[in-house]
Amino acid sequence: GENVGLHLPTLSVQEGDNSIINCAYSNSASDYFIWYKQESGKGPQFIIDIRSNMDKRQGQRVTVLLNKTVKHLSLQIAATQPGDSAVYFCAENTPARQLTFGSGTQLTVLP
Amino acid sequence: EAGVAQSPRYKIIEKRQSVAFWCNPISGHATLYWYQQILGQGPKLLIQFQNNGVVDDSQLPKDRFSAERLKGVDSTLKIQPAKLEDSAVYLCASSEDTGANTGELFFGEGSRLTVL
Repeated sequence: GENVGLHLPTLSVQEGDNSIINCAYSNSASDYFIWYKQESGKGPQFIIDIRSNMDKRQGQRVTVLLNKTVKHLSLQIAATQPGDSAVYFCAENTPARQLTFGSGTQLTVLP
Repeated sequence: EAGVAQSPRYKIIEKRQSVAFWCNPISGHATLYWYQQILGQGPKLLIQFQNNGVVDDSQLPKDRFSAERLKGVDSTLKIQPAKLEDSAVYLCASSEDTGANTGELFFGEGSRLTVL
């Protein structure tokens, strides 16, 4: 089957710097993508979503970019804070209407 | 607004025993999901309900896993008999979405199962 994958399993950034978390997806027919944040011992929490007819969407301190040509999704976090330390998952809505998660990236914010 | 409630939070059993997890979704949410999250991996969908009907159970190991949502509100996921590889966090999620899977999912904190 087709899977959503992530380029890097871990990412460390200095507090105050910007973070970029990448995701590669393989199902070109997926039409909806979501980023989730999961803190230790908790369930995933919705961050931001984007539909396939968009290239960019901005939220509060976060931006999601979608490049359908190379099937790539990224999450940018501005001015990263200690509270941003977590595992970040991208997920895609496949044509079978299943929300499929990638394996995640552990973001660590250094003081 | 109350979130998705799950219980128990932790469960330790021996292989071949049975276990049941309970989920109460956010009030009014039509769609309920059970996900399995093995340590170090992303959540994997086991089953999706819309109201009290099953929308997708293609990845549910039906020889040992079962789930129901009889009245279209809360749900139970059962494993019988458990295997070592069932050790995972079982996440319940709900959404207002009525089937297109393009709405936000709200997750509970999960039930962590350890099979010895």
